[in-house]
Amino acid sequence: QLQLQESGPGLVKPSETLSLTCTVSGGPVSSSSYYWGWVRQPPGKGLEWIGTIYYIGKTYYNPSLKSRVTISVDTSKNQFSLKLSSVTAADTAVYYCSRQAGIQLWLYPDQWGQGTLVTVSS
Amino acid sequence: EIVMTQSPATLSVSPGERATLSCRASQSVRSNLAWFQQKPGQAPRLLIYGASTRATGIPARFSGSGSGTDFTLTISSLQSEDFAVYYCQQYNNWWTFGQGTKVEIK
Repeated sequence: QLQLQESGPGLVKPSETLSLTCTVSGGPVSSSSYYWGWVRQPPGKGLEWIGTIYYIGKTYYNPSLKSRVTISVDTSKNQFSLKLSSVTAADTAVYYCSRQAGIQLWLYPDQWGQGTLVTVSS
Repeated sequence: EIVMTQSPATLSVSPGERATLSCRASQSVRSNLAWFQQKPGQAPRLLIYGASTRATGIPARFSGSGSGTDFTLTISSLQSEDFAVYYCQQYNNWWTFGQGTKVEIK
């Protein structure tokens, strides 16, 4: 059974870089059938797509975050990662990693990690 | 950006009753629409994709319909475990989510 687990600091200072890793078990991130990505949810609010990556390293980012986001994949560790630079309090959220299924680039998240709360505060 | 609008914001329903949730897209998303259920402190759970296909393990009381700009999620007979927040998501042009509908006990 596929499992995804987010890890990383729960507290980040303003202007610094948020870094999270998603470790996948029960299936390879190198599968040609799936993409992988990140979604966030500010406390008490809705969901926002951050970005998506394919195992060969091809990335797709939300235009509103594109200038600050980097997503990478490490197939040897069966992990993928998120970096969000120049964070502010508005980046405080629960960050979810997900597996994305679908056809070509019409993808939907069919498996989710449990999420990790990242707070931006000095 | 495609804006997804869900209605109502809150739906009060008695157990055993039918619940009908709506989702409207600001432009056509064809059938590239998914529905998720989220309970407090949990990750979203995929219910429906392709506007009407139930995900693996989802009970038959959940059904989705629609295409283009107007979509509906129907829960035919609400069970206690169905009280949650429901989100729609379009994936025709990257991803945007609706703001959610909370289904609460009447």
